[in-house]
Amino acid sequence: AQKITQTQPGMFVQEKEAVTLDCTYDTSDQSYGLFWYKQPSSGEMIFLIYQGSYDEQNATEGRYSLNFQKARKSANLVISASQLGDSAMYFCAMREYDMRFGAGTRLTVKP
Amino acid sequence: DGGITQSPKYLFRKEGQNVTLSCEQNLNHDAMYWYRQDPGQGLRLIYYSQIVNDFQKGDIAEGYSVSREKKESFPLTVTSAQKNPTAFYLCASSMPGISYEQYFGPGTRLTVT
Repeated sequence: AQKITQTQPGMFVQEKEAVTLDCTYDTSDQSYGLFWYKQPSSGEMIFLIYQGSYDEQNATEGRYSLNFQKARKSANLVISASQLGDSAMYFCAMREYDMRFGAGTRLTVKP
Repeated sequence: DGGITQSPKYLFRKEGQNVTLSCEQNLNHDAMYWYRQDPGQGLRLIYYSQIVNDFQKGDIAEGYSVSREKKESFPLTVTSAQKNPTAFYLCASSMPGISYEQYFGPGTRLTVT
C-alpha cells in the first residue's frame, strides 16, 4: 500500500519569509499524482497544487511551488512570502487508484 | 453552484446506535470517498467508490458500511461495531485518473456518548 510521510508535526515561519514543508512517499508504481491540501481551523480542505509523476518541471501555483525529487521520492511544498492567513494544517497526498494522505504539518505564521 | 454537501454539520448519538452520514455531489464525478479525521491527525480512508454500485474498503473500513446506488450520493453508515466513532468525517469526490484533485465537502463532526 502506498504511504505518505510528513515528518514535521509543526513548523513556525516569520511573516513574509519562505517555508518548506516536507513530504516523502513510497510506491512501486510508475504512474501517480502528488497533491498538497490546506486545512484551516474551519475544517475545509483546500486544494493547493498538483504534480504528476511524469512531469519534468516542478509545479507552481502563485506563492506555492512543489519541489519534486522523483529519485528521492519527495514532494516538498514551498510557500513563498508567508502570510498570516497561511497558518493552517497542510497535507501531502498521493493518488494511484485511490487517494492517501500524510499526517499533516501544522504551520504557524508569526507576525 | 456545483459542490459537495454533507449533512448534518454536527451529529450527536448514543453509543450502540447506528448513524448514517449524508454526502451528495452535483459535480458529475464518478469517484467518491469517505475519510475519517481525528483531532490533530491526518485523513484516513474508510471507503471509496469509483463507479455506481461498486465500492472498495480503505484502511479503516471495520465498523462502517456504504452504498452507491446513485452517482450523486455516497452515504456512510457508522455502525455500533465501530469502537471509537467520535471523529470528523469528510466526504470527497473526483474524476477518475491520477491527475484529478479531490473536492471535499464541509465535513460532519460526529460525537457518540
